[in-house]
Amino acid sequence: DQQVKQNSPSLSVQEGRISILNCDYTNSMFDYFLWYKKYPAEGPTFLISISSIKDKNEDGRFTVFLNKSAKHLSLHIVPSQPGDSAVYFCAATGNRDDKIIFGKGTRLHILP
Amino acid sequence: NAGVTQTPKFRILKIGQSMTLQCTQDMNHNYMYWYRQDPGMGLKLIYYSVGAGITDKGEVPNGYNVSRSTTEDFPLRLELAAPSQTSVYFCASSYPHQGFTIYFGEGSWLTVV
Repeated sequence: DQQVKQNSPSLSVQEGRISILNCDYTNSMFDYFLWYKKYPAEGPTFLISISSIKDKNEDGRFTVFLNKSAKHLSLHIVPSQPGDSAVYFCAATGNRDDKIIFGKGTRLHILP
Repeated sequence: NAGVTQTPKFRILKIGQSMTLQCTQDMNHNYMYWYRQDPGMGLKLIYYSVGAGITDKGEVPNGYNVSRSTTEDFPLRLELAAPSQTSVYFCASSYPHQGFTIYFGEGSWLTVV
């Protein structure tokens, strides 16, 4: 039973355009969401997070949007750069839970 | 700070052998985790610990054991290795009151033949 779903295994975007990565969750107890970026042969690194009390969080080129009623969040990267090519993981946790659950990831390719 | 350090980086095991993946962190984090990543399957939580002396099962604990005798160390033991345990293993740590941001090690590549 997948509690965090990333339904697009891969995404290709032209350099300079906007990349939008989507994530859905099923557990209504989740109230904190994170995005991680992973390069080959390295561990994932934290990118950006959002609490359920917000619907948007922005950090430079990265913005995460949260739609609680739809149990959906998205990561926007604008403008996309070649170094953004990586696998992006969505993750979620609940205030009363110590586990952090990850999705399967989306591989982002930035095309020159 | 070294962050989260995992050893070994690569290991080949024969079916039925046992081994321990070592993990240590120097950030004084209370929480530590072990994840495995299979191709196309994302990160699955094996075990986690919220402090020394406390461990809990994650999503895929079968075939593994952990211990947490100190805040710094969280070894993962594979007993009777099976081909299904061929994977990349990531140790991670966090201090939840800092927003649940977790810090990962570089990974340990394990092949069971």
